[in-house]
Amino acid sequence: AQSVTQLGSHVSVSEGALVLLRCNYSSSVPPYLFWYVQYPNQGLQLLLKYTTGATLVKGINGFEAEFKKSETSFHLTKPSAHMSDAAEYFCAVSDRGDYKLSFGAGTTVTVRA
Amino acid sequence: DAGITQSPRHKVTETGTPVTLRCHQTENHRYMYWYRQDPGHGLRLIHYSYGVKDTDKGEVSDGYSVSRSKTEDFLLTLESATSSQTSVYFCAISGGSPHPTQYFGPGTRLLVL
Repeated sequence: AQSVTQLGSHVSVSEGALVLLRCNYSSSVPPYLFWYVQYPNQGLQLLLKYTTGATLVKGINGFEAEFKKSETSFHLTKPSAHMSDAAEYFCAVSDRGDYKLSFGAGTTVTVRA
Repeated sequence: DAGITQSPRHKVTETGTPVTLRCHQTENHRYMYWYRQDPGHGLRLIHYSYGVKDTDKGEVSDGYSVSRSKTEDFLLTLESATSSQTSVYFCAISGGSPHPTQYFGPGTRLLVL
């Protein structure tokens, strides 16, 4: 089974600053990669995904992520944080041919005014 | 939003009592999943289903059973609830092919006293 590591359980950024959330996975074979966001007392919402093709993936709400095979990473970024970005973010991976996801422990983002 | 509902949304029960959580989908997706979410652990897979009457265990299946008698419904049962099963439970669905994007329900918050 895949192992997923999210560096930093809490990230605090100023409004307007760059948001960078880190995700590394364990497989030597490129998996499918996902980022989800969870707002308080809600379910998880898909932000973006990488399945094949272009390694820079754009998602909703101005987020994007880049798949780097050599680094086994799929870091999530947003150039300018907004107060509404305060939430918990989860990275998830799936081996190709598998229909299960392995999740990271999550990163909580706080946005300072 | 994917058509997924969970019931009940909140439940308080006592140790030793049976509890059944229901997940209902209107998307006709083949795959359905039950996760539990606990602080510091992300989401952990309890059981999943790949078709009517076809289910399999996830990484934290002890103390849980599932049933799927119809495409649209996936039930999670705690045969004899324990305090360690206090958690937030999420149902997810996936169409499977070509890649396993999962869509999540709103969650059920369970407290076992």
